[in-house]
Amino acid sequence: EDKVVQSPLSLVVHEGDTVTLNCSYEVTNFRSLLWYKQEKKAPTFLFMLTSSGIEKKSGRLSSILDKKELFSILNITATQTGDSAVYLCAVVGYNQGGKLIFGQGTELSVKP
Amino acid sequence: GAVVSQHPSRVICKSGTSVKIECRSLDFQATTMFWYRQFPKQSLMLMATSNEGSKATYEQGVEKDKFLINHASLTLSTLTVTSAHPEDSSFYICSARGWSSQQETQYFGPGTRLLVL
Repeated sequence: EDKVVQSPLSLVVHEGDTVTLNCSYEVTNFRSLLWYKQEKKAPTFLFMLTSSGIEKKSGRLSSILDKKELFSILNITATQTGDSAVYLCAVVGYNQGGKLIFGQGTELSVKP
Repeated sequence: GAVVSQHPSRVICKSGTSVKIECRSLDFQATTMFWYRQFPKQSLMLMATSNEGSKATYEQGVEKDKFLINHASLTLSTLTVTSAHPEDSSFYICSARGWSSQQETQYFGPGTRLLVL
């Protein structure tokens, strides 16, 4: 059965800290892994990863995929209170019509 | 990035009425659109997959006669919640799958909060 497991489920840090969010997956015919940020509205797209070992970076956020070990991490450096959100990891396989399989999400709270 | 819009963003209706939610991909053609429902503190639950010009594929447990989906064009899908009841109150989110900047992506609309009284 295809599944995505994120850890930790919740995390509280202080501004300036660096955090690493984890996502492990099992999916038939892996195609890509996506990271989203969700605040009090719909998820916003962060990264899509398809190849192992290639880091994607956007400002203080970065992500990398390990297709051999079936996991991805999302790093946030110098966290700010505006980074507080639920971070969702999702995978999609070939021959699944593009359906995303979501993890439970990691709720990040950044304290001033 | 690509833009997906939803309308309305918020709706309050009486029990028994029907509510239509529109999902549009604004700067790309969406071969497939997905409809999700999200309850507070829970992850997104896929309701159905909508392909342009064909019938939607519903996930197990989702009533197709209650949640009518129409995907009439490559940029528009609609979800109609028929005879809504208070338990249908939720956050409904669509996503659109298509090609943007030579990359296949899936972007979410801003969501529609439905409250059924």
